[in-house]
Amino acid sequence: EAGVVQSPRYKIIEKKQPVAFWCNPISGHNTLYWYRQNLGQGPELLIRYENEEAVDDSQLPKDRFSAERLKGVDSTLKIQPAELGDSAVYLCASTRTGAGAFFGQGTRLTVV
Amino acid sequence: AQTVTQSQPEMSVQEAETVTLSCTYDTSESDYYLFWYKQPPSRQMILVIRQEAYKQQNATENRFSVNFQKAAKSFSLKISDSQLGDAAMYFCAYRSGLNTDKLIFGTGTRLQVFP
Repeated sequence: EAGVVQSPRYKIIEKKQPVAFWCNPISGHNTLYWYRQNLGQGPELLIRYENEEAVDDSQLPKDRFSAERLKGVDSTLKIQPAELGDSAVYLCASTRTGAGAFFGQGTRLTVV
Repeated sequence: AQTVTQSQPEMSVQEAETVTLSCTYDTSESDYYLFWYKQPPSRQMILVIRQEAYKQQNATENRFSVNFQKAAKSFSLKISDSQLGDAAMYFCAYRSGLNTDKLIFGTGTRLQVFP
């Protein structure tokens, strides 16, 4: 069984530019999460999807961040425009039963 | 709001020895789950072990075991017979009993394993 797949693994952009991350969850997992992990910290939730519906986006900075999960499978997370403080690792995770989330390898974003 | 605290930023252990990583949490809920995740330099968070709050028996997965003290809100991870491949960041995480609610992570403990 393939794990959670994320791309790209690394991204370097200039501030004010847009950037997008892609995630393909484990097949059959209805729940998908996007987390942000700042250096030296644990991951923090940005948004959680149940199928196509965003059920928890309270921590998503909606002025510049957007996400979608069309058809309830893969998902994209977008930042426009990026700021220096957005530099972090963006992790995608999925689960079916809630017993434990399975994570992808993350995208390391550097904004210069 | 629930919080998770890991008070040991770094720990070290000699190969084949045993090490214990500490975690405390704060919650008013009675139904919840606790997890330990390992994050090697590859960045992928790997689930090590989980504990349901309603279970009194401590979870065990091969060389990994937990000491779950519900009244004290403590959830420590013991790694026995440490191996070089155990070197990584270890994160303690809490999840509400609501089925697929978010994970709340601690700040992590970096474990070094010396030969």
